[in-house]
Amino acid sequence: GAVVSQHPSWVICKSGTSVKIECRSLDFQATTMFWYRQFPKQSLMLMATSNEGSKATYEQGVEKDKFLINHASLTLSTLTVTSAHPEDSSFYICSARDVTVLYSNQPQHFGDGTRLSIL
Amino acid sequence: AQKITQTQPGMFVQEKEAVTLDCTYDTSDPSYGLFWYKQPSSGEMIFLIYQGSYDQQNATEGRYSLNFQKARKSANLVISASQLGDSAMYFCAMRESSNTGNQFYFGTGTSLTVIP
Repeated sequence: GAVVSQHPSWVICKSGTSVKIECRSLDFQATTMFWYRQFPKQSLMLMATSNEGSKATYEQGVEKDKFLINHASLTLSTLTVTSAHPEDSSFYICSARDVTVLYSNQPQHFGDGTRLSIL
Repeated sequence: AQKITQTQPGMFVQEKEAVTLDCTYDTSDPSYGLFWYKQPSSGEMIFLIYQGSYDQQNATEGRYSLNFQKARKSANLVISASQLGDSAMYFCAMRESSNTGNQFYFGTGTSLTVIP
């Protein structure tokens, strides 16, 4: 069964509103969660790394005030797209693992993704 | 059941040799797509190769080829002539169509290490 739950799976909202996406690890404690955004040609851009109890680490070019990430517990990270605009429309995916090192043999579990459509 | 299964958490290959990364999938949709991504230490997910469920021929992209066996529901990635820069995590993914749009499912990844 799914080990990472992402909610909602699809959201449509008006320009200017804020949208919150949740990423939950269901059967393990995720010390680290990652947020990706899908771009054309199918590549996924890493937006930020979310560590429980500390500030997220954002990748270069990602606006911290635009994409608010909160990792309040070992099983939940949230991504809030603030004042969303049509150019923010995309597919957002979270992933989680229970170690802090990104590049390791530990399995990385992905959520099913959230399709965000801003009108 | 897992949608995507990658049974090899870690693999080693000698430089210049070929390596096969396994991926099996589970779907009842007649139309789906299969993807392979490479994740270097920087964290980004680089798209490598795509195979559509109706494609008759196996997909190839340079040194990457996808061994698509539809009846067995497997989509193994073959990397020929391995290079040191191929060391990374590799993820298999499947896209299904749903009433909310396309849905992606990822495997847990295979860590590939190329040995000089």
